[in-house]
Parts: sequence; structure tokens; C-alpha cells
Amino acid sequence: GQQVMQIPQYQHVQEGEDFTTYCNSSTTLSNIQWYKQRPGGHPVFLIQLVKSGEVKKQKRLTFQFGEAKKNSSLHITATQTTDVGTYFCAGQDAGGTSYGKLTFGQGTILTVHP
Amino acid sequence: EAQVTQNPRYLITVTGKKLTVTCSQNMNHEYMSWYRQDPGLGLRQIYYSMNVEVTDKGDVPEGYKVSRKEKRNFPLILESPSPNQTSLYFCASSKFLKTGVNTEAFFGQGTRLTVV
Repeated sequence: GQQVMQIPQYQHVQEGEDFTTYCNSSTTLSNIQWYKQRPGGHPVFLIQLVKSGEVKKQKRLTFQFGEAKKNSSLHITATQTTDVGTYFCAGQDAGGTSYGKLTFGQGTILTVHP
Repeated sequence: EAQVTQNPRYLITVTGKKLTVTCSQNMNHEYMSWYRQDPGLGLRQIYYSMNVEVTDKGDVPEGYKVSRKEKRNFPLILESPSPNQTSLYFCASSKFLKTGVNTEAFFGQGTRLTVV
């Protein structure tokens, strides 16, 4: 079945440093979504990317979807302590074998030291 | 307010005692799913439902049951809980477009289940 791998599993940064998490799918995706989960909270939707090569920005966050629609990345510029949490990618298989199913990556736990 | 409501938030139970975790959404979403979250394993899908009376297995369905008799409700049933089902559970709902794209998922607050 479809697998979504996310790296790194952990990332510790000093406040002000940049951060990137990467997501790779074993199959071609129809779209990819990104979520943030604060400690003790539930996942909250950040963005959805649908088009090949798409790049979207939300303030200090930049999301990319690969040309082959099998990988994606989330980059945070100049991290702040409010960025702490776990970031998940979630891909929907384009093959349609599991209709509508979102497969989540393992998540990247981001710690920001002030 | 758009929301997904799960109950209970915390539950400690004993092995073999049947339990149900309820999930309700008020957004008229077609797609609902249950996930369990374990350290280092991310969110793994247990079951999902495309619409009323339509359910299917996710990645880790063993030991769980679901039903979708109404569009807004999607309860998770553990007929005979075991300690390896100790986990954090999330219900989620989303709108499923005619194009086949599953849109933004709204998650419930989570249910922390401990089976002793």
C-alpha cells in the first residue's frame, strides 16, 4: 500500500533559525496536505497543494509540491517559539485504490529554543 | 461554529470491557475517519467512511468496529479492548469533492484511551 515517509523525525533549532521538513510518497499523489499539532492538541490544517510544482506561502511558511507529485516540503523562515509542535504531511493517492484515503507521514517534532 | 466533537476525552478501562468513543460533526461532511496516534508512528487510519452506510478499513482496523448510520455521527467501537489499543484517538471529517479530492480535515480534540 501507499507509504508516506517524513524526515526528520525531530528537529531542534535556535529561535531565528530556519526549519525544513520533507515528505516523500511511494506513489503519485493527487494532492498533499500539511497539518500542525501543538503539544497536547489536535492536528490543525495548514494548507493543501494540488498542482505539480506548486509553491504556496503563508507568512514565514513556504510549502512546495514536487514536479512528479511524489514529494513535498515545508520550510519555516526565522522560527519563533510559537512554531513549536509536530508537523504532518498527508497525501492522497492518485491511483484511486483507496478512494479518498489520506495517508499521514510520521511527523516532524520541532523544538525551538529561545 | 464548525467542529468535530469526540467523547470522552479521557478513558481508562479494563481488558475485555466493550467501549464506544463517539464522534459527531456539524459540517455536513461526507468523509469521516478514525486515527490512532502513537509516538514515532504518526497518525494511522483505523477506519473511514465515504458516506452514510459506507465504511471501509484503514491501515490498522483489527480490534475495531465502526458504523455510519447518520451523516453526522461516526462512533468507534472496541468490542474487547486490549492493552495494545492504549493510544490517542482522533476522529476527523472532511468534504469530499466530486473531483475525488479530499479537502481540509477537521479533527476532534482527541480521546486518550488506556486499557489495563
